[in-house]
Amino acid sequence: DQQVKQNSPSLSVQEGRISILNCDYTNSMFDYFLWYKKYPAEGPTFLISISSIKDKNEDGRFTVFLNKSAKHLSLHIVPSQPGDSAVYFCAASTSNAGNNRKLIWGLGTSLAVNP
Amino acid sequence: DTAVSQTPKYLVTQMGNDKSIKCEQNLGHDTMYWYKQDSKKFLKIMFSYNNKELIINETVPNRFSPKSPDKAHLNLHINSLELGDSAVYFCASSFSGGRNIQYFGAGTRLSVL
Repeated sequence: DQQVKQNSPSLSVQEGRISILNCDYTNSMFDYFLWYKKYPAEGPTFLISISSIKDKNEDGRFTVFLNKSAKHLSLHIVPSQPGDSAVYFCAASTSNAGNNRKLIWGLGTSLAVNP
Repeated sequence: DTAVSQTPKYLVTQMGNDKSIKCEQNLGHDTMYWYKQDSKKFLKIMFSYNNKELIINETVPNRFSPKSPDKAHLNLHINSLELGDSAVYFCASSFSGGRNIQYFGAGTRLSVL
């Protein structure tokens, strides 16, 4: 039972345009959401996060939007650059576990930004 | 200066062997994790240690035994390796609580022949 779903395995975008990566979740207890980027042969690196009490968080070219009623979040990259080509993972966590807080991961979306 | 480093990067071994993967972090974090990324690219947590104490132990065969000698190190020992153990294993670390932003090592690609 996958609690975090990224339904698009891949996305291709032209350089300079907007990339929109989507993520859906099923557990209403999730209170924190994170996006990670992963290049081949490297570990995932943290990109941006959002708390469930917010609906938007922006950091430079990256913006994450959260729609709690739809249990949906999205990552917008504007403008997209060839160096953004990577696999993007959505992850969620809940505070119920206290010190046992853990991340639940989506399967990732492979983004290709074409020059 | 690598924040989370794991060795080896590649490990090729025969079925039935025992092998270890080491992980070290220099970020001052109090929590460390082992993840397995299978052929479907699904990242699944295996174990988590907080200040050398096991706090998360997912459904993992007991052939897998983590060991944390101190809060900067978390090693993973695997006994009697099986074909299905072939995967990429990632170590990560974070501060406990809060936003749980985890920092990852580069991964160890284990191939069991």
